Amino acid sequence: DIQMTQSPSTLSASVGDRVTITCRASQSINTWLAWYQQKPGKGPKLLIYKASNLESGVPLRFSGSGSGTEFTLTISSLQPDDFATYYCQQYNSYSWTFGQGTKVEIK
Amino acid sequence: EVQLLESGGGLVQPGGSLRLSCAASGFTFSSYAMSWVRQAPGKGLEWVSGISDNGRNSYFADSVKGRFTVSRDNSKSTLYMQMNTLRAEDTAIYYCAKTFTTSWYYDYWGQGTLVTVSS
Repeated sequence: DIQMTQSPSTLSASVGDRVTITCRASQSINTWLAWYQQKPGKGPKLLIYKASNLESGVPLRFSGSGSGTEFTLTISSLQPDDFATYYCQQYNSYSWTFGQGTKVEIK
Repeated sequence: EVQLLESGGGLVQPGGSLRLSCAASGFTFSSYAMSWVRQAPGKGLEWVSGISDNGRNSYFADSVKGRFTVSRDNSKSTLYMQMNTLRAEDTAIYYCAKTFTTSWYYDYWGQGTLVTVSS
């Protein structure tokens, strides 16, 4: 199975900060990567698919990049609604796997 | 509006069985593969199972292979997961998730149903 490793596990930031989360795959997954946001008590919400494609309705401050084994999710200017946990997921090959998550906390 | 409504969770003893359901609406259910993803208390997301749009192909994480089965009734727009020989480590919120076209990432998720395995 492909292992997905996110860093950092926790990130403390302030409103207006630029935030970057990294996701590394144990082998190449081309650009078959999605990013999700999850808030307490809710199911995840799709943000980005195919590494850099913004899901409809997701604010433009979210962006994704990368290919192969290294990927990033960037929030250009952190907003109060963005404090949440973020997960990457590879869908290059079965079995589909998630990173362990990155919690973005208020500094 | 796409809606996914899970049900069937609850408290079960180790070694017991449970059947989860996911009622779908707002899209052509028979056109999309579906998955179950779980989240243990305070932990991250773990993909559990997937089933193709026509139900002919199913996939399982190693952690549940041989104990869980997945099925669907496209006439009822409902996804199922039969969970047998349950273990304490199966305790989690189980989410039903809809794939996006032919790719195994998920554009809609349900609110989840809690399964607790304990004596």
